[in-house]
Amino acid sequence: GQSLEQPSEVTAVEGAIVQINCTYQTSGFYGLSWYQQHDGGAPTFLSYNGLDGLEETGRFSSFLSRSDSYGYLLLQELQMKDSASYFCAVNTGFQKLVFGTGTRLLVSP
Amino acid sequence: EAGVAQSPRYKIIEKRQSVAFWCNPISGHATLYWYQQILGQGPKLLIQFQNNGVVDDSQLPKDRFSAERLKGVDSTLKIQPAKLEDSAVYLCASSLVQPNTGELFFGEGSRLTVL
Repeated sequence: GQSLEQPSEVTAVEGAIVQINCTYQTSGFYGLSWYQQHDGGAPTFLSYNGLDGLEETGRFSSFLSRSDSYGYLLLQELQMKDSASYFCAVNTGFQKLVFGTGTRLLVSP
Repeated sequence: EAGVAQSPRYKIIEKRQSVAFWCNPISGHATLYWYQQILGQGPKLLIQFQNNGVVDDSQLPKDRFSAERLKGVDSTLKIQPAKLEDSAVYLCASSLVQPNTGELFFGEGSRLTVL
């Protein structure tokens, strides 16, 4: 079977740093993606880790450890507009993505 | 560059009725996906096409759901007959085959309510 686990909700204040973890168990693994989805909106791509290590894109960074079947998304200098749901997704091959349960991030002033 | 287009945005039907959703992917994207997203959950893959061939439809409830991509461009997802549990947002996405970057481009979705 396929399973990706994330915390259901995380809260933080503006300017803070937050980490959203993802552990996975899938048949086939080519990489881990992260998506952001605002209420009523479309999921939008944030980052991808095909290899172990840290990828940095502006205020967002993503980390992968294939040996631990674990990754995380790190959001720095949080802003109110970062309040959204965040999904990890495993690429199981041929760009077939299996999504996690999602983490709702609430940023307060 | 135009994004992924979907229609209709909203649809309300009664159980046992039928409904169809349409998707036009980004130009040049060979891979097209239909995902089902139930409120509060992550997107669940229903079917993946590459050009006009099916790559994966293992989670498509084939007794009531069907999808086609006849000319390898736009696609239609049909539900017949609908059940209450089909209430969800149906997301279409597209991607390039290469590079294999895990980046999908999603449309705004079609929200289905089954009464």
